[in-house]
Amino acid sequence: DAKTTQPPSMDCAEGRAANLPCNHSTISGNEYVYWYRQIHSQGPQYIIHGLKNNETNEMASLIITEDRKSSTLILPHATLRDTAVYYCIVRPVGSQGNLIFGKGTKLSVKP
Amino acid sequence: GAVVSQHPSRVICKSGTSVKIECRSLDFQATTMFWYRQFPKQSLMLMATSNEGSKATYEQGVEKDKFLINHASLTLSTLTVTSAHPEDSSFYICSASAKLAGRRNYEQYFGPGTRLTVT
Repeated sequence: DAKTTQPPSMDCAEGRAANLPCNHSTISGNEYVYWYRQIHSQGPQYIIHGLKNNETNEMASLIITEDRKSSTLILPHATLRDTAVYYCIVRPVGSQGNLIFGKGTKLSVKP
Repeated sequence: GAVVSQHPSRVICKSGTSVKIECRSLDFQATTMFWYRQFPKQSLMLMATSNEGSKATYEQGVEKDKFLINHASLTLSTLTVTSAHPEDSSFYICSASAKLAGRRNYEQYFGPGTRLTVT
């Protein structure tokens, strides 16, 4: 699986947009980009995933660059409850295997 | 939908005893479940892959005789930590893999985790 690189930590003001970057320069054409988050002492929570096109759901938006070598997760209006570790994971299409978690980005939303 | 539960949510046991952690998919069936371990301020590390009706596959460095995994049904996998030691204290998380109706891919659905403290 392709590796990902994320900044170790980020701060965001409550109510502002949080933009979390991820580099996945070795991603192949048949690999998805997934985002999960883990609030302290809880299991990981699925946020969103995409292949080529930008995606949006009720939680977030995922912007994938045209060359697919990087992506940005956008939380449009961050709240204190969005404070968590955010993991960007690359996963082959059709995979039934486990997810490989990197170190993620610790997002701290401040009042 | 796609809810995974773990029981207990937290457990304290004495060194040398065994403790069993259950992972259940409540509203779907999963032929494969994964067990992860997470130490403080670290990421999740895969311990083993559990397949219904067959022996689990353990990651390198994980002792299969110490971490017993049983996947007796399509909705239940158990992890038993035998002869627990303080260094086994950790956050144990399971996930269930399934391709639900209307979905294109197999996805993983995570449980809430079990905090094990060995004294």
